[in-house]
Amino acid sequence: GAVVSQHPSWVICKSGTSVKIECRSLDFQATTMFWYRQFPKQSLMLMATSNEGSKATYEQGVEKDKFLINHASLTLSTLTVTSAHPEDSSFYICSASPLPGTGSTGELFFGEGSRLTVL
Amino acid sequence: GENVEQHPSTLSVQEGDSAVIKCTYSDSASNYFPWYKQELGKRPQLIIDIRSNVGEKKDQRIAVTLNKTAKHFSLHITETQPEDSAVYFCAARFAGYSTLTFGKGTMLLVSP
Repeated sequence: GAVVSQHPSWVICKSGTSVKIECRSLDFQATTMFWYRQFPKQSLMLMATSNEGSKATYEQGVEKDKFLINHASLTLSTLTVTSAHPEDSSFYICSASPLPGTGSTGELFFGEGSRLTVL
Repeated sequence: GENVEQHPSTLSVQEGDSAVIKCTYSDSASNYFPWYKQELGKRPQLIIDIRSNVGEKKDQRIAVTLNKTAKHFSLHITETQPEDSAVYFCAARFAGYSTLTFGKGTMLLVSP
């Protein structure tokens, strides 16, 4: 199946600093990628939809100035957590589907996830 | 928007028993229903999915059933094994290549 790679897999940072997480589709192109957040023992909550070449669409309650999303190419989306605080500590996961018309079944493929710990 | 309810939140079974997890969805226009297995600290992995034009799908010990009229779908695992222990998420997607709406998850524990 298709591969989505996420980096870094874990990161520890000091409060007030910014952290960038990358999500790459390795063997397919995706105009849309999705960013989820997962707290311990909870489900995946959609944060935002990353759109190649345009602004991301944020879910209600997600601060767009706090979680900056850039989708500069058909294979890369980045999530930057700005001025991180301990409450931002979480597991962040991206996902993507191959472009329609490429033989894709519409299956969503997930990255490995990035565990952020803010001290 | 779509809303997905999943039950139970935890499920403990003995090795060899069957496990059933149930989900309901709200949007009758949803047409794709995957199930994911997530082990601690890892990415969700697709284990089986079903589309709205099919009522049942089976893959070895795993099966999914869909009742479009009632808007619910279920995951069935037979002959459970300890390695089946994980959190299972159901999801639903509105027609087209949009994102998934996930259920809250079921923690399955299979005891030897």
